Amino acid sequence: QLQLQESGPGLVKPSETLSLTCTVSGGSISSTSYSWGWIRQPPGKGLEWIGSIFYSGSPYYNPSLKSRVTISVDTSKNQFSLRVGSVTAADTAVYYCARQDIVGGRFDYWGQGTLVTVSS
Amino acid sequence: DIQMTQSPSSLSASVGDRVTITCQASQGIANYLNWYQQKPGKAPRLLIYDASNLETGVPSRFSGSGSGTDFTFTISSLQPEDIATYYCQQYDSLFTFGPGTKVDFK
Repeated sequence: QLQLQESGPGLVKPSETLSLTCTVSGGSISSTSYSWGWIRQPPGKGLEWIGSIFYSGSPYYNPSLKSRVTISVDTSKNQFSLRVGSVTAADTAVYYCARQDIVGGRFDYWGQGTLVTVSS
Repeated sequence: DIQMTQSPSSLSASVGDRVTITCQASQGIANYLNWYQQKPGKAPRLLIYDASNLETGVPSRFSGSGSGTDFTFTISSLQPEDIATYYCQQYDSLFTFGPGTKVDFK
């Protein structure tokens, strides 16, 4: 059974960089059928796609966040990572990693999510 | 950018009721639409993909339909475990989620 697990600091100071890693187990991140994505959810609000990446390392981003976001992949560790720069309180959210079907665009496996709070 | 709207934003229903949620895209997206269920404190769960296909393991009381700009999600007979927020998501142009519809008991 495929499992995804987010990890990283739960508290980040304003203007600093948020860094999270998603570890994939029970399957290979190098599958050609899937990409790997990040989605976030501010407290009490809806879901926002941040970006996704193929195992080959080609990322694609939400245009509204593109200037501050970097997604990378480490196939040797079966992990992919998210960095969001110059964070503000508006970046406070539960961050989810998920597997994404390349053809269908659906997110079919999700991590449990991790809350990141931006505060001094 | 493709914007997604959902209605209603919330609804109250009784066990056994038929529940219908609509999702509208700001431009035509063919059938490039998925539906998710999210319970409090949990990650979203994929229920319907490509507008009308039931994900493996999802009960048959859930269904979806539509194409173009207008889509419908239906629970044929609401069960206690269906209390959740439901989101649509388009994948015609990048990926956008609708604002969600919260379903609770009357």
